[in-house]
Amino acid sequence: DTVMTQTPLSLSVTPGQPASISCKSSQSLLYSDGKTHLSWYLQKPGQSPQLLIYEVSKRFSGVPDRFSGSGSGTDFTLKISRVEAEDVGVYYCMQTTQPPHTFGGGTKVEIK
Amino acid sequence: QVQLVESGGGVVQPGRSLRLSCIGSGFTFSGFGMHWARQAPGKGLEWVAVISHDGAIKYYADSVRGRFTVSRENSWNTVYLQMNSLTFEDTATYYCAKDLPALANWGQGTLVIVSS
Repeated sequence: DTVMTQTPLSLSVTPGQPASISCKSSQSLLYSDGKTHLSWYLQKPGQSPQLLIYEVSKRFSGVPDRFSGSGSGTDFTLKISRVEAEDVGVYYCMQTTQPPHTFGGGTKVEIK
Repeated sequence: QVQLVESGGGVVQPGRSLRLSCIGSGFTFSGFGMHWARQAPGKGLEWVAVISHDGAIKYYADSVRGRFTVSRENSWNTVYLQMNSLTFEDTATYYCAKDLPALANWGQGTLVIVSS
């Protein structure tokens, strides 16, 4: 199975400052269709998860452009250019390249 | 807009069975794969299973393979998760999610508590 490792475990950010979360997979997430099926989710307190980024860098509908994704192969990053109060919650990366699909352990983001 | 509504959760004894349902609306249900994921209290997300748009292809997490079965009835816009031989470790909120792209839309979840 593909293991997804996220760092850091938690992040405390001043509003308006950038934030970055790393996600590493135990094997390449490049699929035979030429796409890399790495996605990012945010679970706000008390809510269901919501999709932010898919295929490494594509923003889902309605996601603010302060969120961006990058990476390839086994190393990926989610960046928030200027953190806002509404961005608090737990961020998860996930791979859907190889079944069984797997999530990272999560990164909790809070506001200073 | 896309809506997913899970049901069927509750309190169940270890070793017993439970069937969860998820009804989708606001999209062409038969055109999309559907996932189940779960979250134990205070823990992270765990992917559970996926079923292709036509029900022909199914994959499972190692932790549930052989005990859980995912199925769907496209005429009823419904996906199911049959859970057998439940253990304490299956206690979680179970979410269904629509595929493409990734897990694009999620339901509100249904809570399953395995307790003696």
